[in-house]
Amino acid sequence: GAVVSQHPSWVICKSGTSVKIECRSLDFQATTMFWYRQFPKQSLMLMATSNEGSKATYEQGVEKDKFLINHASLTLSTLTVTSAHPEDSSFYICSARGGDRGISFYEQYFGPGTRLTVT
Amino acid sequence: AQKVTQAQTEISVVEKEDVTLDCVYETRDTTYYLFWYKQPPSGELVFLIRRNSFDEQNEISGRYSWNFQKSTSSFNFTITASQVVDSAVYFCALSEFYGGSQGNLIFGKGTKLSVKP
Repeated sequence: GAVVSQHPSWVICKSGTSVKIECRSLDFQATTMFWYRQFPKQSLMLMATSNEGSKATYEQGVEKDKFLINHASLTLSTLTVTSAHPEDSSFYICSARGGDRGISFYEQYFGPGTRLTVT
Repeated sequence: AQKVTQAQTEISVVEKEDVTLDCVYETRDTTYYLFWYKQPPSGELVFLIRRNSFDEQNEISGRYSWNFQKSTSSFNFTITASQVVDSAVYFCALSEFYGGSQGNLIFGKGTKLSVKP
């Protein structure tokens, strides 16, 4: 149990276009979802935290107008990179946290990640 | 402030050697969780262990063992008889129990382990 999926697993897009990445909790209700970005050979950096039905909380330095996060249901969150540029190329990882079915509130379940390349 | 330090950026060992990955953390909370994750070249994070701050018992799982010492704020990870498949980046992380960032994970910078045949 506690599986999180991400789609797509990789995407290549042209500069100036927008890309949407989906994060789904497959077998539990995710009250909170997190979006991380990881540049090559670096650690995971938290971009934003979203609770179902409310606006996302962005970390300092993350442009909320560029990285649109929607957490419309307890099993789905989306990250849209608007007007993507080459510097947005990165590995994006989502995680989900719930509080049901015996899953600890302090446990985050990670998706497999999405590799974005902007040309 | 919360912080996780993994001082070893890269470690290279030969197969069957034992290797210890260091993790030192800082937190003001008395209640917190510590984690280790493995990230193989595929990129997917693999959960290895979660330990809460009240449980200082060392843990062993097969070739993996963890040494949690609150006195030195360390949570070190040892792989015994390393194998090539252990090659990956390993992250230590901290999650606090209280406060505005409750439950959020703070990651260290990771240690890249290369196990050579």
